[in-house]
Amino acid sequence: DIQMTQSPSSVSASVGDRVTIACRASQGISSWLAWYQQKPGKAPTLLINVASTLQSGVPSRFSGSGSGTDFTLTISNLQPEDFATYYCQQANSFPVTFGQGTRLEIK
Amino acid sequence: EVQLVQSGAEVKKPGESLKISCKGSGNGFGNYWINWVRQTSGKGLEWMGRIDPSDFYTNYSPSFQGHVTFSVDKSMNTAYLQWSSLKASDSAIYYCASSPTAAYGMDVWGLGTTVTVSS
Repeated sequence: DIQMTQSPSSVSASVGDRVTIACRASQGISSWLAWYQQKPGKAPTLLINVASTLQSGVPSRFSGSGSGTDFTLTISNLQPEDFATYYCQQANSFPVTFGQGTRLEIK
Repeated sequence: EVQLVQSGAEVKKPGESLKISCKGSGNGFGNYWINWVRQTSGKGLEWMGRIDPSDFYTNYSPSFQGHVTFSVDKSMNTAYLQWSSLKASDSAIYYCASSPTAAYGMDVWGLGTTVTVSS
C-alpha cells in the first residue's frame, strides 16, 4: 500500500494568515492526489482534485501543487470557516489511501 | 450532480448482521463509482473499497476484504454495505462517496451512517 504522510499533524494560525500543509507519498503517484476538508460532525468535502484542480465552488484562497511524491495544500488569507481538518488522498494505486489528517486550529 | 442519502444510525450486538444503504438522487447514479469510507471515533479516514453501479464491479481494500460486502440495486439507485457478523471494532461512521472514475477524488459524499456495535 502507498503510505501518505501529512505534516504537520496540527497547526495553529490566525485569521488572515497563510498556511501550507504537506503530503508525501511513499512512492510516486503522478498527480492523482485529492485534498479534503472535514469539519467536526460533518462529512468530508472535496477541495482539490488531480493535485491542483480546484473543485467548483471552492474559494480561490485554496490552492494545491505538486506531483510524484510531494504535494502541498496552501490556504491564503485564512477565514474563520477554514478551521477544520484536512486530508490528502492518493488515487493512483489500489488500495486508495488517505493521509492521517492535519488539524488547523485557531491561534 | 448526484446526491447521496444514507440510512440512519444503527445499534447492533456483536455477531449480528447489518445492511446500510446509500441512495443516489439526481442524474447519473450509474455513471459514478460508489466508494465506502470508514471513520472511527476521533480518527482518520479509511477507504474500504468501491463498486461500479453500471456493472457491479467491486474493489475491496485488503483490510476489509472478506468482512464486508458491497452491492447495488440499480432499480432503486441504491448502494449497500453489509456485514454478516459484526464486531465491536466495526463501530464507526460509514460514508458513501461518489467518484467519476477510479482515479479521481470523491466529489459527492453522503452524511454518514453511525454504526454502534455493543453487547
